[in-house]
Amino acid sequence: GQSLEQPSEVTAVEGAIVQINCTYQTSGFYGLSWYQQHDGGAPTFLSYNALDGLEETGRFSSFLSRSDSYGYLLLQELQMKDSASYFCAWPSWDNQGGKLIFGQGTELSVKP
Amino acid sequence: DAGVTQSPTHLIKTRGQQVTLRCSPKSGHDTVSWYQQALGQGPQFIFQYYEEEERQRGNFPDRFSGHQFPNYSSELNVNALLLGDSALYLCASSRESRVDYGYTFGSGTRLTVV
Repeated sequence: GQSLEQPSEVTAVEGAIVQINCTYQTSGFYGLSWYQQHDGGAPTFLSYNALDGLEETGRFSSFLSRSDSYGYLLLQELQMKDSASYFCAWPSWDNQGGKLIFGQGTELSVKP
Repeated sequence: DAGVTQSPTHLIKTRGQQVTLRCSPKSGHDTVSWYQQALGQGPQFIFQYYEEEERQRGNFPDRFSGHQFPNYSSELNVNALLLGDSALYLCASSRESRVDYGYTFGSGTRLTVV
């Protein structure tokens, strides 16, 4: 089967660094994406790792290790506005089209 | 540049009724996907439309159907509503049916079935 596992909750303080892990079991792996969602609003694309290694975008970085079926999202210099749910997602595609398979999400709470 | 627009934002329906949700994709996007997100869960893929055809479907019953119009906008129809259909319904658009990177999501329609 296809599944992505991530912690349900993470708490950190403002200014700190937090890492949200994602392990997966999939077939036909195309890479790993990360999305942010505030209070049930629109999920917003953060990053995509097609290859192993670290991708950096401002305060956010994402890492992928295909051999370990593992990735993480790293958030630095945490701000209160970073409190949200974070989802890892697997972009799946075949000749019938594409879709995203999402993990259950990690709720990040940033405390003052 | 408008992003993905969904309507209505909130909806309350009675069990057994039918509902239609609407989505206008981001300008330049030709593919629309629909997702269901239950409270506290990740979005679940319902189906995808490209060139006015359903290209791929998730594990949802036939009560869930859709349509894509020539202007790329889309509708999601749910018949014979069940209490378990209560969820946030998200529309996502992309430029092609295959996308290895970011989809653009709308803010969703919150459907409550009573």
